Amino acid sequence: DGGITQSPKYLFRKEGQNVTLSCEQNLNHDAMYWYRQDPGQGLRLIYYSQIVNDFQKGDIAEGYSVSREKKESFPLTVTSAQKNPTAFYLCASTLLDTGNYGYTFGSGTRLTVV
Amino acid sequence: AQKVTQAQTEISVVEKEDVTLDCVYETRDTTYYLFWYKQPPSGELVFLIRRNSFDEQNEISGRYSWNFQKSTSSFNFTITASQVVDSAVYFCALSEEGGSRLTFGEGTQLTVNP
Repeated sequence: DGGITQSPKYLFRKEGQNVTLSCEQNLNHDAMYWYRQDPGQGLRLIYYSQIVNDFQKGDIAEGYSVSREKKESFPLTVTSAQKNPTAFYLCASTLLDTGNYGYTFGSGTRLTVV
Repeated sequence: AQKVTQAQTEISVVEKEDVTLDCVYETRDTTYYLFWYKQPPSGELVFLIRRNSFDEQNEISGRYSWNFQKSTSSFNFTITASQVVDSAVYFCALSEEGGSRLTFGEGTQLTVNP
């Protein structure tokens, strides 16, 4: 079945470490997105990519980095520069053809700094 | 810039009551898309509905109905005869034409008590 796979589901990080969250889709979607969700809050956009080897910053990109070397993959690295990385991270993807903006979401990664 | 506002942070009802979740949006585009998502405690986002800005016809799907009014920039969601399984966080979201991002409201936590 087509969909988005995020891994791991739970991730623990020590302060000062970089960690990478995986996001893979087999939907042949053009665009991919990373969102962050804090308890009791909405989703905020971190980074997004519409084509391979290109990506743009969202609203809260500081302390994060991404790459888009393949259409299917959009990993997110949480660097040590991110002051408060504990959150729930959701990856999404969509086709970019006109009139069809159905976004598919992964099941999320819960990151905790210990 | 686009913005979505869900003024109701939390709503608590008793099973079988009807409940309406409010959503107000702001956008400069004439073509845009509105969404509702449900987020159960497990965290994944469940797609409920997408409407485009040219289609103001209200929609009913089982116990769910949506009221889209461009004149007031609102896209409200009603659950009829609520059930305990409806308990979740509900998000309203907006995407602009050719848009590269989905902007979310803060979410409304709905609790349906038996």
